[in-house]
Amino acid sequence: GAGVSQTPSNKVTEKGKYVELRCDPISGHTALYWYRQSLGQGPEFLIYFQGTGAADDSGLPNDRFFAVRPEGSVSTLKIQRTERGDSAVYLCASSLNRGREAFFGQGTRLTVV
Amino acid sequence: QQQVKQSPQSLIVQKGGIPIINCAYENTAFDYFPWYQQFPGKGPALLIAIRPDVSEKKEGRFTISFNKSAKQFSLHIMDSQPGDSATYFCAASSGGSYIPTFGRGTSLIVHP
Repeated sequence: GAGVSQTPSNKVTEKGKYVELRCDPISGHTALYWYRQSLGQGPEFLIYFQGTGAADDSGLPNDRFFAVRPEGSVSTLKIQRTERGDSAVYLCASSLNRGREAFFGQGTRLTVV
Repeated sequence: QQQVKQSPQSLIVQKGGIPIINCAYENTAFDYFPWYQQFPGKGPALLIAIRPDVSEKKEGRFTISFNKSAKQFSLHIMDSQPGDSATYFCAASSGGSYIPTFGRGTSLIVHP
């Protein structure tokens, strides 16, 4: 695709439910990042993939958050037992192998009610 | 612990003015400093980036100034236009992790 694609663009879920957020990176980009952005704040790092493996997951806030990238392309961020504090825009970015330019998708706005 | 500190939080200028946004960092391993522009409802878009081997980089109306000894860098927007109204983020990454660390952002409004 031409750019990083994230689906859905908006997700409303009830507290305690499970959600999955999808990211399609730019074709050929081996590095993939997930960030979380709260209102009025900068993107906050969650997890970084290089290929299929999570090279750095130090930003995941707790064990309710998990992400996979089984074939080294599409990635899914999974949140279990959602809480109202999880409400934010979840951003995905990709870059070429060891490339510094990260290209972002439009984000998924998650609202937990 | 905020690794990249950005100021001001918000900025209002008249059309044609030169807004300046400043960032400071502590981690001396950082060696790549991009700036991102974000419009409401959109993801951040890379605007311009600099490496510490140069003190200034210019692309169109956007200029980054870099002071390695002070561990500071700034974005200048020449001849600002209402269409430049957006939130701007500075970021930094190192060769060790390649993970961009972002500042908190500056909301810029350019009045016609």
